[in-house]
Amino acid sequence: QKEVEQNSGPLSVPEGAIASLNCTYSDRGSQSFFWYRQYSGKSPELIMFIYSNGDKEDGRFTAQLNKASQYVSLLIRDSQPSDSATYLCAPRGSARQLTFGSGTQLTVL
Amino acid sequence: SAVISQKPSRDICQRGTSLTIQCQVDSQVTMMFWYRQQPGQSLTLIATANQGSEATYESGFVIDKFPISRPNLTFSTLTVSNMSPEDSSIYLCSVEGGRDGNSYEQYFGPGTRLTVT
Repeated sequence: QKEVEQNSGPLSVPEGAIASLNCTYSDRGSQSFFWYRQYSGKSPELIMFIYSNGDKEDGRFTAQLNKASQYVSLLIRDSQPSDSATYLCAPRGSARQLTFGSGTQLTVL
Repeated sequence: SAVISQKPSRDICQRGTSLTIQCQVDSQVTMMFWYRQQPGQSLTLIATANQGSEATYESGFVIDKFPISRPNLTFSTLTVSNMSPEDSSIYLCSVEGGRDGNSYEQYFGPGTRLTVT
């Protein structure tokens, strides 16, 4: 079983729609969770992180965390073509290292 | 966020040789990490670079192949030794903590694209 699983892509949404990206993790010791965006040929760019159950909003982005279900998600409202990228979910371990999922490729049409 | 630079940005090397990648941060940071991203894959942690002590390596990575130095709180190097084509990857350093002192956030350098022929 993979440590971090993300919904398989590629995911396509029309411009202006909500894009929903999902992630499950196996390490119950993980306390904080990071979402990165990676454009082709570029390094990952931090979007936001969350460490409390519930929702955390930052502009058009909302992260949702449910530790009991070991589930974290990222919603992108009013999706724009510039949001087209690969989105990486990464729980933070006890040694402060990040474990990355395989990523979900998002295309905003 | 901290400003991170890496040198070289890319290189083409012959098998059997070694390459040292430098990572420089514009502010002191406690935690520095080295990751590898193989073509079409996600990121895999190689090791945590500890200041003043040996690096902590993840399973599957060994010091003889990927020696790491961390002489101070703003600089680290990763060497890829005795390279083979399988080492062709993007190597990224990351740091935890930004200018505002937020210790949770982890930022990545621009990466070093290595091709081994």
